[in-house]
Amino acid sequence: EAQVTQNPRYLITVTGKKLTVTCSQNMNHEYMSWYRQDPGLGLRQIYYSMNVEVTDKGDVPEGYKVSRKEKRNFPLILESPSPNQTSLYFCASSGPRDTSTDTQYFGPGTRLTVL
Amino acid sequence: GNSVTQMEGPVTLSEEAFLTINCTYTATGYPSLFWYVQYPGEGLQLLLKATKADDKGSNKGFEATYRKETTSFHLEKGSVQVSDSAVYFCLFQKLVFGTGTRLLVSP
Repeated sequence: EAQVTQNPRYLITVTGKKLTVTCSQNMNHEYMSWYRQDPGLGLRQIYYSMNVEVTDKGDVPEGYKVSRKEKRNFPLILESPSPNQTSLYFCASSGPRDTSTDTQYFGPGTRLTVL
Repeated sequence: GNSVTQMEGPVTLSEEAFLTINCTYTATGYPSLFWYVQYPGEGLQLLLKATKADDKGSNKGFEATYRKETTSFHLEKGSVQVSDSAVYFCLFQKLVFGTGTRLLVSP
């Protein structure tokens, strides 16, 4: 089954404690991205990756890091989480833009609370 | 720059009512346009898409027509059901989401 998986689904942590949210897709997609969803703000892109070893900032990259060492994985790293990073996070993947495979597939979401 | 403007919610309707959720965009060129739906407690799912002017995307009774002259991609459904209650997002290419419109349908 074609899917995007994220782990963990729920996480409560404390300020300053490094964490990683994993994202994996099994569709051989080149493009992957991370979004955060906050009430009244919709979805905002954090980082995206056009292919292996190619990453770029989205609209709200501050406080986040990503890596793309393999095509299927795109982890989101919070080196020193702060309470304003409490949010619902989504990973997404798709094929090349403007092709029949450019539809984004979303993971189930990770709800992060930073105390 | 590129942007998407989506009508604010919540939109509250009775079952079998007609639905319109407005979405307009500003962009250079002709981007692909998408509507995604998020049911309570779930991730986003593609609802429909259109890749060029005058294309009509449709799925599950929902429709949206890519109108170049008005730079719009409004979502419509002739008769909504309680099960359509969700948040709907308009997306421009891969990068720009609207803020989402919550739809509440009552029996």
